[in-house]
Amino acid sequence: GAVVSQHPSRVICKSGTSVKIECRSLDFQATTMFWYRQFPKQSLMLMATSNEGSKATYEQGVEKDKFLINHASLTLSTLTVTSAHPEDSSFYICSARDVTSGRYEQFFGPGTRLTVL
Amino acid sequence: SQKIEQNSEALNIQEGKTATLTCNYTNYSPAYLQWYRQDPGRGPVFLLLIRENEKEKRKERLKVTFDTTLKQSLFHITASQPADSATYLCALGGRGTSGTYKYIFGTGTRLKVLA
Repeated sequence: GAVVSQHPSRVICKSGTSVKIECRSLDFQATTMFWYRQFPKQSLMLMATSNEGSKATYEQGVEKDKFLINHASLTLSTLTVTSAHPEDSSFYICSARDVTSGRYEQFFGPGTRLTVL
Repeated sequence: SQKIEQNSEALNIQEGKTATLTCNYTNYSPAYLQWYRQDPGRGPVFLLLIRENEKEKRKERLKVTFDTTLKQSLFHITASQPADSATYLCALGGRGTSGTYKYIFGTGTRLKVLA
């Protein structure tokens, strides 16, 4: 099946620093990638949708200047949390979908646990 | 507003029995519905997708039904095993206001299969 990787799996940083999370589709071309945030015992909340080569579409309430998304190639999307604060601590998960395949399944990465001190 | 409801309480069943999980939704007309399994600290794993014009889908010990009139999906695991213990998420898919496909997730139901 389709494999999506994320790096790093876990990151701890100081308040005010920026953190970059990478999401890669390993065996298919991900024309669309999604970034989610999940707090403990809560649902996945969609943050943004990115299509390769174009600007990301952010969900209401998500600050695009704080959560920078770059989908530069068909296999890589990055999420940068700028000037991170403790309230940004969460589990960040990406998913990828191959629109050209005509299939609607999205495949998830293993997630990145961000802790901001 | 769009809402997806899954049983928030954990479901405990005996090994070998059939587990049935429920997903109800309101104010949404999804093109398809998906079920995922999520283990603690891990990303969700895709299990099954069912389209709006399909009533039932099966895959090995898994079965999903989709009733667009009741706005409900049922997810069944037959001959359940302790290894099936996890949180199961349902997700509705369809075109958002921006025109791109997007997914809305329920909070998940935690299943525990007792040996």
